[in-house]
Amino acid sequence: EVQLVESGGTLVQPGGSLRLSCAASGFTFSFYWMTWVRQAPGKGLEWVANIKQDGSEKYFVDSVKGRFTVSRDSAKNSLYLQMNSLRAEDTAVYYCARSVPDYDVLTASYNYFMDVWGRGTTVTVAS
Amino acid sequence: EIVMTQSPATLSVSPGERATLSCRASQSISSSLAWYQQKPAQAPRLLIYGASARATGIPARFSGSGSGTEFTLTISSLQSEDFAVYYCQQYNDWPLLTFGGGTKVEIK
Repeated sequence: EVQLVESGGTLVQPGGSLRLSCAASGFTFSFYWMTWVRQAPGKGLEWVANIKQDGSEKYFVDSVKGRFTVSRDSAKNSLYLQMNSLRAEDTAVYYCARSVPDYDVLTASYNYFMDVWGRGTTVTVAS
Repeated sequence: EIVMTQSPATLSVSPGERATLSCRASQSISSSLAWYQQKPAQAPRLLIYGASARATGIPARFSGSGSGTEFTLTISSLQSEDFAVYYCQQYNDWPLLTFGGGTKVEIK
């Protein structure tokens, strides 16, 4: 069974740091792009970051650039999100997701969507 | 940034009725659109990708259509387990992704 399990969420003070983990199982982790998505309390979904299979490419939403980093360890089948300089607006449930390719015939290129999601881990930034 | 706009924000439907949800992109995204269902305290679940392809295990009562900037998710006959929030998401601008604000489907 394909499974993603996030961990590491907790209460942290503004300005603090936190590292989230996502343990993958049931598929060959090293074959896939991976994605972080978050959801603030009572709000919608917001994409946070993507990382390529070998970690050579990483992309972030503007609101976290320079504060968050993403990494992965294929030996441990794990994805990480390092969050620094945390703000109250970073309070959210953080989901990791597997991204899979979809071929667009019009542009002759591959784009990726999220097909499997973890259950999420809650980060609360408050004093 | 491609902005995704969903309407209506809330849709009240009786069990057994049809539900039609709309999603509009601020610029053409070809068919690079996914729909997700989210129930309270649960992770999102993929329903549709490529604007119209059902994900594995998704019942046939769920269908997606559209291309370019206008998209629709139709639930042909609402079941009790379908009452949830539905999000559209564009991935044409991969690796930059954006979601719509969601449509809550509630029991009428």
